[in-house]
Parts: sequence; structure tokens; C-alpha cells
Amino acid sequence: AQSVSQHNHHVILSEAASLELGCNYSYGGTVNLFWYVQYPGQHLQLLLKYFSGDPLVKGIKGFEAEFIKSKFSFNLRKPSVQWSDTAEYFCAVNTNTGNQFYFGTGTSLTVIP
Amino acid sequence: DTEVTQTPKHLVMGMTNKKSLKCEQHMGHRAMYWYKQKAKKPPELMFVYSYEKLSINESVPSRFSPECPNSSLLNLHLHALQPEDSALYLCASSYFTGAGTDTQYFGPGTRLTVL
Repeated sequence: AQSVSQHNHHVILSEAASLELGCNYSYGGTVNLFWYVQYPGQHLQLLLKYFSGDPLVKGIKGFEAEFIKSKFSFNLRKPSVQWSDTAEYFCAVNTNTGNQFYFGTGTSLTVIP
Repeated sequence: DTEVTQTPKHLVMGMTNKKSLKCEQHMGHRAMYWYKQKAKKPPELMFVYSYEKLSINESVPSRFSPECPNSSLLNLHLHALQPEDSALYLCASSYFTGAGTDTQYFGPGTRLTVL
């Protein structure tokens, strides 16, 4: 089975600070990459995704992520976080051979006003 | 419409009860999924249906029984559950792209409590 690592388990930031959450995966072939967010009490929502093309992808709410193939990474960034960004963030990988998603362990982000 | 609906929102059941969770989508997705999620943890895949056929069963105990009556509906039948089965049960659906799978759209989940 593939593995997806999110090394930051819990991140605490003040409002307006910059954010970078790491995501690394183990699959050597072609991958589709996703970041999902789960706000408190809400369902999982897609932030952004990468299939091909420009490795820098922009998502909703000012988030972006960069795919670096040589590092097997797909890190999530936001230049200036807001209190409303407090949530769980999950990286997910889908290989081009199947319909299964492999989720990372998640990062809990707390933004202090 | 990118909505996946799930009913009920909350379910409390005893260990001898039989109940069912329902999921519905009208996006034309032909892949549908059941996940189990514990608090602050990632979703754990339970089952995958591809074109209404069960394609993945992640060694889920037989007290969970999935069913896909048609391309829009997905059920999860529950029987003789254990307290450790208490969790948020998520349904998701997606398109096939020919090179893997596109975005999975998640429902709000059913919060299950087993007494």
C-alpha cells in the first residue's frame, strides 16, 4: 500500500502568519494529489488538486500547493492565515492505476486571533 | 450540484440492533465509497463500489454490509455492532478519469454511537 506522510501533526499560528504544511508520499508512478480541509463540525471539502501541468496550483480561500516530483512532496501554503482557517487538513494521493485515495494522518491547524 | 447527502445525521443503536446508513449523489459519479472516521483522524477506507460493483473491501468485519442498489445510491447495513464501531461514517463519490480518479466529494457523514 502507498503511504502519505504529514509531519506537522498540530500547528498553532497567530493571524496573519504564513502557513506551510508538509505532505510526502511514497508512490513512484504518476499520482493525482489533493488537499482537503475539515472545519469543525463540517464535512471534508476540497481545497485544491494537482493532476498535471503547472506544479504550482491555486485553490480556494487563498491556498496554494506546489508539487515537487523529485521530492515526492505536495506542500500546502497560505501567505496569511485567518482565524477561520482553524481546521484539520488532510493530504490525499490517488495513483493512476486505481480509484483508491490514500490519506495522510492530518494536520490540526489552530489560528489564534 | 456537487452534493452528497447522507441519512441519518445521527444514529444511536444497541449492539443487537440492525440499522442502515444511506448515501445519495446525483453527479453521475460511478465510484462510491464508505469511510470510517474517528475524531481528529483521517478517513479510513472501508468499501469502494465501481459501476455498482464492489471493487474494494478493506477487510471490514461482516457486521458491516454494503449495498449499491443503483448508480446514485449507496447503503451500509449495520448489524451486531460493537461500541468501538462508534465513529463518523462518511460516504464519498467521484468520477473515473482513465488515469486514476478525480476529486472525491464527501457527504456530511452519519455520527454513529453504539451502546
